[in-house]
Amino acid sequence: GQQVMQIPQYQHVQEGEDFTTYCNSSTTLSNIQWYKQRPGGHPVFLIQLVKSGEVKKQKRLTFQFGEAKKNSSLHITATQTTDVGTYFCAGRGIKAAGNKLTFGGGTRVLVKP
Amino acid sequence: DAGVIQSPRHEVTEMGQEVTLRCKPISGHDYLFWYRQTMMRGLELLIYFNNNVPIDDSGMPEDRFSAKMPNASFSTLKIQPSEPRDSAVYFCASKLRGGETEAFFGQGTRLTVV
Repeated sequence: GQQVMQIPQYQHVQEGEDFTTYCNSSTTLSNIQWYKQRPGGHPVFLIQLVKSGEVKKQKRLTFQFGEAKKNSSLHITATQTTDVGTYFCAGRGIKAAGNKLTFGGGTRVLVKP
Repeated sequence: DAGVIQSPRHEVTEMGQEVTLRCKPISGHDYLFWYRQTMMRGLELLIYFNNNVPIDDSGMPEDRFSAKMPNASFSTLKIQPSEPRDSAVYFCASKLRGGETEAFFGQGTRLTVV
């Protein structure tokens, strides 16, 4: 079945620095979504990418969908303590039935002040 | 709308007991999902419903787990009998029809089986 992998699993970042987390799917995706889960909280939708090569920005967050629609990345610039949490990508395969979203394992981000 | 509502927020039970988790999706949403989250296995999809009908239950770990959705505003996930390895946070999520709509998660139920 479809697998979605995220790297790294953990990211320790100095406040003010940039970092990138990557998401790779074993199959071609029809779309990819990103979610953020704060410690002790629940996943909250951030953004969705649909088109090959699509790039979207939300303030300091830049999301990219690969040309082959099998990978995605999230880049955060000038990290702040409010960025702490786990970032999940979730993909729907082009052959996936219904609305089945497969989540990656997440990248847990810790920010050092 | 109050969002997806789950109850209880926390549940501690003894091994062998029956546990029932409850979920009220956002009104008007067609899809309801049950996820389990652990440190080891991450966020796993257990089962999902479309218009109250179970569509894919391939993620349900074993026969001890069962889920129902008797109407559009209520779903339950039952574990009988519970085991310590079932300890996890269980999330319910709902979404509108369409493959490109976002999922809204509830606050989760933290289950501890001792």
